[in-house]
Amino acid sequence: DSGVTQTPKHLITATGQRVTLRCSPRSGDLSVYWYQQSLDQGLQFLIQYYNGEERAKGNILERFSAQQFPDLHSELNLSSLELGDSALYFCASSVAPTDTGELFFGEGSRLTVL
Amino acid sequence: GDSVTQMEGPVTLSEEAFLTINCTYTATGYPSLFWYVQYPGEGLQLLLKATKADDKGSNKGFEATYRKETTSFHLEKGSVQVSDSAVYFCALATNAGGTSYGKLTFGQGTILTVHP
Repeated sequence: DSGVTQTPKHLITATGQRVTLRCSPRSGDLSVYWYQQSLDQGLQFLIQYYNGEERAKGNILERFSAQQFPDLHSELNLSSLELGDSALYFCASSVAPTDTGELFFGEGSRLTVL
Repeated sequence: GDSVTQMEGPVTLSEEAFLTINCTYTATGYPSLFWYVQYPGEGLQLLLKATKADDKGSNKGFEATYRKETTSFHLEKGSVQVSDSAVYFCALATNAGGTSYGKLTFGQGTILTVHP
């Protein structure tokens, strides 16, 4: 158990809909990362937050947004969903953005868009 | 930009066989290198790391050496077990002025299956 909790574990929805994925980092970790894992793209970095502020942005679509709340949990919002958004979405956390690079991953939220 | 290339998989071995999974990278600056492992139904977890050239990372019988001259970080294990069956990801992180250090760039992953 990495200490990172993601909900929901599985989600099935239709095209055009909006969903929210939730992540609780390890106790004491201030930095949260979101990754998307798909068969064709592999593991892609989406976005990073540190202590409530956006720190780095990767290949995140404009239809996607995220935030980190004062209690340090994070939410990833996916809107106007398309079939190609079906993927496993991982949240990871670390103590700080300038640490050793070791991230602790949750078990992921599997999104299926029909 | 940064990139990581792993050998094509999947890899299927018999128990006690020797394992090598190749990994090469392209990066600006001086990256740190990692191997992460993903067991079925679980998230990724760090297997080993190396932060500078010629460093050797090791854990659970796995080893990898940071080779700057060949930009490689190949994963090896002398005798694999059935319990090593998983997906293995090579990754790098670059420290761009102290920001975004934790952002990892991953390879495509290599599926390893070990048979008894």
